[in-house]
Amino acid sequence: DAKTTQPTSMDCAEGRAANLPCNHSTISGNEYVYWYRQIHSQGPQYIIHGLKNNETNEMASLIITEDRKSSTLILPHATLRDTAVYYCIVTSGFQKLVFGTGTRLLVSP
Amino acid sequence: DTAVSQTPKYLVTQMGNDKSIKCEQNLGHDTMYWYKQDSKKFLKIMFSYNNKELIINETVPNRFSPKSPDKAHLNLHINSLELGDSAVYFCASSQNPGTDEQYFGPGTRLTVT
Repeated sequence: DAKTTQPTSMDCAEGRAANLPCNHSTISGNEYVYWYRQIHSQGPQYIIHGLKNNETNEMASLIITEDRKSSTLILPHATLRDTAVYYCIVTSGFQKLVFGTGTRLLVSP
Repeated sequence: DTAVSQTPKYLVTQMGNDKSIKCEQNLGHDTMYWYKQDSKKFLKIMFSYNNKELIINETVPNRFSPKSPDKAHLNLHINSLELGDSAVYFCASSQNPGTDEQYFGPGTRLTVT
């Protein structure tokens, strides 16, 4: 019951920006966009979230379109350690995160 | 310091046995969760507790029983283990109920033989 669509996999060269897209065309007004990632054999890690405005933190930037039907997670200077599965999640809260299949990002030297 | 810790990291057991997985968080969070990640890597929520009270209980067999002795701990007890219970179980916590980022533990890989 994931409400998002992400590419299955993406490649990125080390040091370049990684732009991970997510479609969430059925998002409703009170739903946030969350991004998590899971590095191999580790627990998921929170990256960033937003409602309407673009957001930036020490890990990444989140760009949400004006109609909120899609968003892009930007890792400005990808490193090998950013190789992971990235999950885009839409949620209105109540603590329920529904993880889809995510995007497998491979960062290469 | 580990924010969310789980024990054991690996658990191998036979069908029919009863086992427990422990989770502790030192973040001072009020809400804790259990997730299951199966062999196909799908990650699904099982339970959520807020201030020791159950607030989310997904469609999980009643062989699974979470127990929260205090806000910092949420343990998962599994009775009569089955082959299909083999998975990685993740504990998580968050500061508040509602929309909030969750912090995950390292996972417990359960193998039922």
